[in-house]
Amino acid sequence: NAGVTQTPKFQVLKTGQSMTLQCAQDMNHNSMYWYRQDPGMGLRLIYYSASEGTTDKGEVPNGYNVSRLNKREFSLRLESAAPSQTSVYFCASVSGRARNEQFFGPGTRLTVL
Amino acid sequence: TQLLEQSPQFLSIQEGENLTVYCNSSSVFSSLQWYRQEPGEGPVLLVTVVTGGEVKKLKRLTFQFGDARKDSSLHITAAQPGDTGLYLCADHSGTYKYIFGTGTRLKVLA
Repeated sequence: NAGVTQTPKFQVLKTGQSMTLQCAQDMNHNSMYWYRQDPGMGLRLIYYSASEGTTDKGEVPNGYNVSRLNKREFSLRLESAAPSQTSVYFCASVSGRARNEQFFGPGTRLTVL
Repeated sequence: TQLLEQSPQFLSIQEGENLTVYCNSSSVFSSLQWYRQEPGEGPVLLVTVVTGGEVKKLKRLTFQFGDARKDSSLHITAAQPGDTGLYLCADHSGTYKYIFGTGTRLKVLA
């Protein structure tokens, strides 16, 4: 049982390049999330998917797109990377049980030059 | 927009000391969660509190939820180096969204 996995773990891009961050969970969770974490700003929600086939914007969606490929996988795409998107990106899924516990992946550290 | 402020921002203490960190919300919490994040990893849930005035204990950690449900504290007794990490509070609004605080970065020195 791997929980939530993310690839890649590290990535360096040049301004204007595109890339897709991959996330998968094997816990049969319905809801999945993408966050970015910047120093002194906690975790900010980029997009979320309440269930397979649905996606919604979070607090900071500009410059990103998402795809809920199936129940397991939720990807985040940067079409034209900017230095302001340098951050650590976390994917999470939610159990949906009483605690509404979010299970997080290990993160992707992205640097845009 | 709800804002969660955590204090202090940074805390460095010696092993064996006690400490308290705080989380204050600009509006009433729906369901307050505390997470701990270790370096290089994602956050891990410690506790969920819902009822005003509620106190929960997890080994050496004591979580208190304010009566008015707008503030919370986390007290650690006899801190250990393994307690080092970033402590985050979060509000789960009952929809699908979670709002996180800015975090308290704790370092416990051996």
